[in-house]
Amino acid sequence: GESVGLHLPTLSVQEGDNSIINCAYSNSASDYFIWYKQESGKGPQFIIDIRSNMDKRQGQRVTVLLNKTVKHLSLQIAATQPGDSAVYFCAELNNAGGTSYGKLTFGQGTILTVHP
Amino acid sequence: EADIYQTPRYLVIGTGKKITLECSQTMGHDKMYWYQQDPGMELHLIHYSYGVNSTEKGDLSSESTVSRIRTEHFPLTLESARPSHTSQYLCASRKDRGDTEAFFGQGTRLTVV
Repeated sequence: GESVGLHLPTLSVQEGDNSIINCAYSNSASDYFIWYKQESGKGPQFIIDIRSNMDKRQGQRVTVLLNKTVKHLSLQIAATQPGDSAVYFCAELNNAGGTSYGKLTFGQGTILTVHP
Repeated sequence: EADIYQTPRYLVIGTGKKITLECSQTMGHDKMYWYQQDPGMELHLIHYSYGVNSTEKGDLSSESTVSRIRTEHFPLTLESARPSHTSQYLCASRKDRGDTEAFFGQGTRLTVV
């Protein structure tokens, strides 16, 4: 069938290194920005989110940074492990109402490969 | 483990056939979504619903239709399948306004020959 969209960029790191995955988003009106992890053969799984009025949020081994000036989102993974190997997608959520209320769209993903 | 189910997991069908991909969730979630994803590619939103009797088109033009008559059920229908519809279709659900975590089904891999 016809492929839809772009092939994903890749990032290769050594086990124990810190990883930084970047995403450019398009809609300034989005209320939340979210990172998902997709392993082979599975649906995406939620990692962490950040509200649009924040610029940093930390979780367990992960940190999300939001720069609204340049519409940029990043995910930092500390001490990357082989189990972190997956595709990482950023996503935007409109929760404010209007014609796009509830709309959840995904941005370009990045394939992360962690070498032991 | 998320309680969202898609059937069938795999489907091979001839051109011109009508098909319905099923998606059900038992979590009582208001928001439901359909995405199309080719291997190693992006996820494209094709339809979403924020509650019963509400459906909206996503960003990717699609010849499919959806319905949301019951909270737990969000089927996607292709009236006349074509080879260009060959792809993986992922269904997801999300609880409510303040909850950003979406739960995904295992997907339906559709091949139209």
